[in-house]
Amino acid sequence: GAVVSQHPSWVICKSGTSVKIECRSLDFQATTMFWYRQFPKQSLMLMATSNEGSKATYEQGVEKDKFLINHASLTLSTLTVTSAHPEDSSFYICSAPPQRVTSYNEQFFGPGTRLTVL
Amino acid sequence: AQSVAQPEDQVNVAEGNPLTVKCTYSVSGNPYLFWYVQYPNRGLQFLLKYITGDNLVKGSYGFEAEFNKSQTSFHLKKPSALVSDSALYFCAVRGHNTDKLIFGTGTRLQVFP
Repeated sequence: GAVVSQHPSWVICKSGTSVKIECRSLDFQATTMFWYRQFPKQSLMLMATSNEGSKATYEQGVEKDKFLINHASLTLSTLTVTSAHPEDSSFYICSAPPQRVTSYNEQFFGPGTRLTVL
Repeated sequence: AQSVAQPEDQVNVAEGNPLTVKCTYSVSGNPYLFWYVQYPNRGLQFLLKYITGDNLVKGSYGFEAEFNKSQTSFHLKKPSALVSDSALYFCAVRGHNTDKLIFGTGTRLQVFP
């Protein structure tokens, strides 16, 4: 199957700093990527839809100024957690549906990034 | 609004026994249903999907799922569980005219030797 990578796989930062997480589709192009947040022992919460060449679409309740998303190319989306605080500590996962004729294909998920804010 | 429900937080089964992880859905129109598995500190791996066609869908690692329209269910099954199947399983439905996935709350499968 298609491969989606994330970098870094884990990061520890001090409160007030900003952290950038990269999501790359390695062998396919993705005009759309999704960013999820997962709390311990909980389901995935969709944060936003990243759109190549245009603004991201945020889900209700997600602060767009805090979670900056940039989809600079067909293979790269970045999530920047600005002025991170301990409550932002979580597991962040991205996904991408490959661009194919049908839109019914499964999404491919990155391995996730564990963010810990001290 | 479209949604999926996974009524069991955890399912315990002995190795070699059949397993079932339950999922029910609520959608308008035809459902596009998916099962994913997550191992500790990892992203999600695709197992199988139902878009149309046969109600019994076969997927990766010997898993299968049965689409039941009358019961609005899409239960995940495996005839003989392995200890290595122990993981977190998510059922998901795709919204219409969107690539967004709506996930259930997840079911932790524990297979005991």
